Amino acid sequence: DTAVSQTPKYLVTQMGNDKSIKCEQNLGHDTMYWYKQDSKKFLKIMFSYNNKELIINETVPNRFSPKSPDKAHLNLHINSLELGDSAVYFCASSPPGRYGYTFGSGTRLTVV
Amino acid sequence: KQEVTQIPAALSVPEGENLVLNCSFTDSAIYNLQWFRQDPGKGLTSLLLIQSSQREQTSGRLNASLDKSSGRSTLYIAASQPGDSATYLCADCDHNTPLVFGKGTRLSVIA
Repeated sequence: DTAVSQTPKYLVTQMGNDKSIKCEQNLGHDTMYWYKQDSKKFLKIMFSYNNKELIINETVPNRFSPKSPDKAHLNLHINSLELGDSAVYFCASSPPGRYGYTFGSGTRLTVV
Repeated sequence: KQEVTQIPAALSVPEGENLVLNCSFTDSAIYNLQWFRQDPGKGLTSLLLIQSSQREQTSGRLNASLDKSSGRSTLYIAASQPGDSATYLCADCDHNTPLVFGKGTRLSVIA
């Protein structure tokens, strides 16, 4: 059973399109995150949600909108995609007290 | 704001060698330190977690230690194997902030 699963694994789309990435965790964790890994492989936090409530939004363009329908799901919707959005996006979750994070396998987004 | 530095950025060793990867933090009030490995084109696999009350953790050939006074952690890999080739990342978080990552050490173990 996959603990943190993301779909799709790969996403190729044209500039200006709107796309969504889905994330689900079956670990019972209460906090979920979106991280972005850029071309230099640096991982940076984008959003953090705790029990469906937005906790952290780290200077991310408002074209990015996370949605958490319940504490097991955190989706990422991106409007008006730009070339610079090309990256690998990772979903993660952690239990109360943040004792250990579990990451999904990533979604490689390519904007052409 | 916590910043994480990993040294070296890249390392190439022959199979069988013992090696040490280093991680340092600007804020020594480290809460939960986690080491991950990332294989090319893949996600992150958690290796070891050192909680704030602990000083080290061991799993098989891996040993991670934490010196909070100096804000440093090391990952020791014994008897390295080609399968250990990957990028190793350390990260820290606290009650209020998510994991902050270093840029990683890219390890190549040559058979």
